Amino acid sequence: DAGVIQSPRHEVTEMGQEVTLRCKPISGHDYLFWYRQTMMRGLELLIYFNNNVPIDDSGMPEDRFSAKMPNASFSTLKIQPSEPRDSAVYFCASSGGGAASYEQFFGPGTRLTVL
Amino acid sequence: AQSVSQHNHHVILSEAASLELGCNYSYGGTVNLFWYVQYPGQHLQLLLKYFSGDPLVKGIKGFEAEFIKSKFSFNLRKPSVQWSDTAEYFCAVSYGGSQGNLIFGKGTKLSVKP
Repeated sequence: DAGVIQSPRHEVTEMGQEVTLRCKPISGHDYLFWYRQTMMRGLELLIYFNNNVPIDDSGMPEDRFSAKMPNASFSTLKIQPSEPRDSAVYFCASSGGGAASYEQFFGPGTRLTVL
Repeated sequence: AQSVSQHNHHVILSEAASLELGCNYSYGGTVNLFWYVQYPGQHLQLLLKYFSGDPLVKGIKGFEAEFIKSKFSFNLRKPSVQWSDTAEYFCAVSYGGSQGNLIFGKGTKLSVKP
């Protein structure tokens, strides 16, 4: 398996623009997680899905952030409008195998810079 | 709320020194425990995990961790660190009812001087 795939790997945009980050989880995994990592705040869980259904979105910073998972093999994290403080590395992770296996596999991340 | 504490924010060691990074969690029930490593500029990778059985867990690259239930701890150890171990280390815990989620600690940066 290719592992968790994220695109783009780097994104530079200007304040006010819409940003869409994409994630393809490992095939067969039924959990998908979106994290944000910054120097100041460390690793933060934004939202996670189980079987394409959002379970906990309490980490989503504000209404400018939204996430969808239209099917088992694809998820998006959208920021509209983007702001400089959204600059961070965004990681997607997936896990599966039932309740006995909570190991999360992380993607390479998207480094977002908002100017 | 469930939480994971990593006591050291930044640890600096010389090569060949021994390493122990602390991790404590707050939940008293059944837990699964993980250590992840993040090398500079890379994503998190699993170092080792504990689900059940022998509380001393061996991981990759010579790392090990010991689960001490009475102390709610899962400390990471390595007898002799190398410069290539320079990275950030995250402890994570899942517990019954967490619906698949992991609670991550804030991480410990390890710098190994050659």
